[in-house]
Amino acid sequence: GAGVSQTPSNKVTEKGKYVELRCDPISGHTALYWYRQSLGQGPEFLIYFQGTGAADDSGLPNDRFFAVRPEGSVSTLKIQRTERGDSAVYLCASSLTGGPDTQYFGPGTRLTVL
Amino acid sequence: GEDVEQSLFLSVREGDSSVINCTYTDSSSTYLYWYKQEPGAGLQLLTYIFSNMDMKQDQRLTVLLNKKDKHLSLRIADTQTGDSAIYFCALKNTGNQFYFGTGTSLTVIP
Repeated sequence: GAGVSQTPSNKVTEKGKYVELRCDPISGHTALYWYRQSLGQGPEFLIYFQGTGAADDSGLPNDRFFAVRPEGSVSTLKIQRTERGDSAVYLCASSLTGGPDTQYFGPGTRLTVL
Repeated sequence: GEDVEQSLFLSVREGDSSVINCTYTDSSSTYLYWYKQEPGAGLQLLTYIFSNMDMKQDQRLTVLLNKKDKHLSLRIADTQTGDSAIYFCALKNTGNQFYFGTGTSLTVIP
């Protein structure tokens, strides 16, 4: 596709449920990033993939959060036992590796945990 | 982690210049960026500067970097109402980690 796409655009779930958020990066981009943006804040880094492997997952807040990128393209962010504090916009970005690593962002998934 | 600070709000009149400021703590930054976020839209990269540069100009945008003071600024010349948005500075460090500021909400008054 022309840009980074994310599905769903909105997700409402109940506390304790499991959710999956999908990111489809720009074709050919080897690097993929997940961020979380809370209201009135800047994006907060969660995890970074280089190809299929997680090169840096230091931003994941706890073990309820997990992400995969099995074929080096699409990535899924998985959140178990959701809590109200997980409510935020989850952003995905992709880039070609090297140099400025110019990141192209998707529109985000707004997650609301009731 | 990195601390990246921005003032929350800026208001300017149409046609004036806007200057948005950003301070950071990590001296190992390699690239520094400015992003624009409009309501309901994703982050759009405006420009970036390599850490060994002091200034970069791109049409109406001028980026200034003072590495000694760890200060980055974005100047928008002839600000238009379409420039109203939230502006984020961001930086990449040598560990390939990205940190974003809290964002500055720019309001352009017609």
